[in-house]
Amino acid sequence: GAGVSQTPSNKVTEKGKYVELRCDPISGHTALYWYRQSLGQGPEFLIYFQGTGAADDSGLPNDRFFAVRPEGSVSTLKIQRTERGDSAVYLCASSLTGGRGDEQFFGPGTRLTVL
Amino acid sequence: TQLLEQSPQFLSIQEGENLTVYCNSSSVFSSLQWYRQEPGEGPVLLVTVVTGGEVKKLKRLTFQFGDARKDSSLHITAAQPGDTGLYLCAGADFNKFYFGSGTKLNVKP
Repeated sequence: GAGVSQTPSNKVTEKGKYVELRCDPISGHTALYWYRQSLGQGPEFLIYFQGTGAADDSGLPNDRFFAVRPEGSVSTLKIQRTERGDSAVYLCASSLTGGRGDEQFFGPGTRLTVL
Repeated sequence: TQLLEQSPQFLSIQEGENLTVYCNSSSVFSSLQWYRQEPGEGPVLLVTVVTGGEVKKLKRLTFQFGDARKDSSLHITAAQPGDTGLYLCAGADFNKFYFGSGTKLNVKP
């Protein structure tokens, strides 16, 4: 009955390294979203999954970013060759169906710091 | 570039005062949501407005969606220290949500 969980809560890495961020949505939620929130800004949409498929990945900034949701539950956001500008809080949210007005439940985020 | 502009960016008031924060856009949205976010946590949904001109009340909070579905306001009556937080609006375009940069509210006891 837990909410959305994200691991790790903090990740410090060096420029050029590869990182994976994990999101466990609320059980039974078919829609899953990834956002990135920089300091002093609102969340910025990255990608939306409906089930196992990426229904909209137009927010991914470049091809270093990739996300998967192979079984329609847990999702992993993968960032290759990290850059200092990738430093931000990465938020995951899930909703029951993804329909209009459907409530999104957010996780606490993963704070990524690229040195 | 933020599609949604929120104002003011910062607001510091005394307990008991009233306040209004605004969310404006040149785009039309199918729905608009308001969230509150506290440090170290994800945003929490307060309300969703769908119909142009719609007004929703949640205890001391009143939300209004503009007639053209491009803007919204949040009014808080008799603010309390527990209202302190970052207030975000988010417009829905199909399944994609665009967030404003937020209004950081501090209510002093």
